[in-house]
Amino acid sequence: GENVEQHPSTLSVQEGDSAVIKCTYSDSASNYFPWYKQELGKGPQLIIDIRSNVGEKKDQRIAVTLNKTAKHFSLHITETQPEDSAVYFCAATGNQFYFGTGTSLTVIP
Amino acid sequence: GAVVSQHPSWVICKSGTSVKIECRSLDFQATTMFWYRQFPKQSLMLMATSNEGSKATYEQGVEKDKFLINHASLTLSTLTVTSAHPEDSSFYICSAIPWETQYFGPGTRLLVL
Repeated sequence: GENVEQHPSTLSVQEGDSAVIKCTYSDSASNYFPWYKQELGKGPQLIIDIRSNVGEKKDQRIAVTLNKTAKHFSLHITETQPEDSAVYFCAATGNQFYFGTGTSLTVIP
Repeated sequence: GAVVSQHPSWVICKSGTSVKIECRSLDFQATTMFWYRQFPKQSLMLMATSNEGSKATYEQGVEKDKFLINHASLTLSTLTVTSAHPEDSSFYICSAIPWETQYFGPGTRLLVL
């Protein structure tokens, strides 16, 4: 089955700096890659996604890049703010959804 | 985006009692819903796939008689934790896929005393 690895597991950045979270997957059939943000005590919320026919997608301060050849995709958050502090999950999906193990991001004011 | 709700948001119960958690798709129909369990500082663990009008599909290691799932309509799936014990205390989250993306409910925190 699919195996999605996510790194780092924890990340601390100063407010205003950028944060990058990376994921790798193993199933070549995976063609859709969403990212979720989970705040404490809440369900995960979709923040951005990318499909396999696109290499990069941006939405304001958030961007995702995809390298299908290398089977990895990354989440980039620029100009981080304290409210960006949360756990972020990547996912890869073809026939099933596979989640990464999560990255706890802390933005230090 | 699509909206998925859960009820209750948190529940405390005595050991041995049963607890029912509802998951609703508010603005779309969902023939399939998913139930996850999440322990503190851990990722989502898929428990089962709920299918409208048929039996749920449980992941390996999940007791189907312990975690009863009923998907009686296109907008409602329920998870009943039967004879709950303290080790069942956890954060339970449901999700649905209106198109290709999973949308999650806000979660239900269960504490069994």
